[in-house]
Amino acid sequence: DQQVKQNSPSLSVQEGRISILNCDYTNSMFDYFLWYKKYPAEGPTFLISISSIKDKNEDGRFTVFLNKSAKHLSLHIVPSQPGDSAVYFCAATNTGTASKLTFGTGTRLQVTL
Amino acid sequence: GAVVSQHPSWVICKSGTSVKIECRSLDFQATTMFWYRQFPKQSLMLMATSNEGSKATYEQGVEKDKFLINHASLTLSTLTVTSAHPEDSSFYICSARVTTTQETQYFGPGTRLLVL
Repeated sequence: DQQVKQNSPSLSVQEGRISILNCDYTNSMFDYFLWYKKYPAEGPTFLISISSIKDKNEDGRFTVFLNKSAKHLSLHIVPSQPGDSAVYFCAATNTGTASKLTFGTGTRLQVTL
Repeated sequence: GAVVSQHPSWVICKSGTSVKIECRSLDFQATTMFWYRQFPKQSLMLMATSNEGSKATYEQGVEKDKFLINHASLTLSTLTVTSAHPEDSSFYICSARVTTTQETQYFGPGTRLLVL
């Protein structure tokens, strides 16, 4: 049972444009969401997070939007840069469960010149 | 930022041997660490939660006698793959829980295990 889904396995975006990565979840108990960036053979790097009490969180070029009624979140990267090319994972947790993260399957972002 | 290291970064071993992987939080204390496994082109799967000074909590389907976890100090957790077999070949990643104004997990660089 995949509780966190990233339905797009890959995304290609031109440099300077906006990248939008989507994530859906099914468990209504999740109340905290995170995005991680991962290069091959490396551990994930934390990017940004959002609590369920908010619907938007921004950090530099990265903005995460949360739509609780739709159980959907998205990560916007503006402007996209070639160095952003990586696999992006969304993760969700219930803060009452010792922070166990449930990861999505990842979306490979390719930023082209 | 919080830095988590893992050692070794890669290991090749013969079937039947045991392999120990270390996970260290370098600039902070972590009462809780997590161990994940990632197979090629798949998501990270949580194996177990490691709590300092107590027994690890394993996820369903993970053999606790095969994957021994020891969290002996606030900066070190170890994962020992006992009697490794080729199907144990994978990418093992640890993370440490950090709680400040927000709660997140910071990940180590991972350990690639190849069992021949």
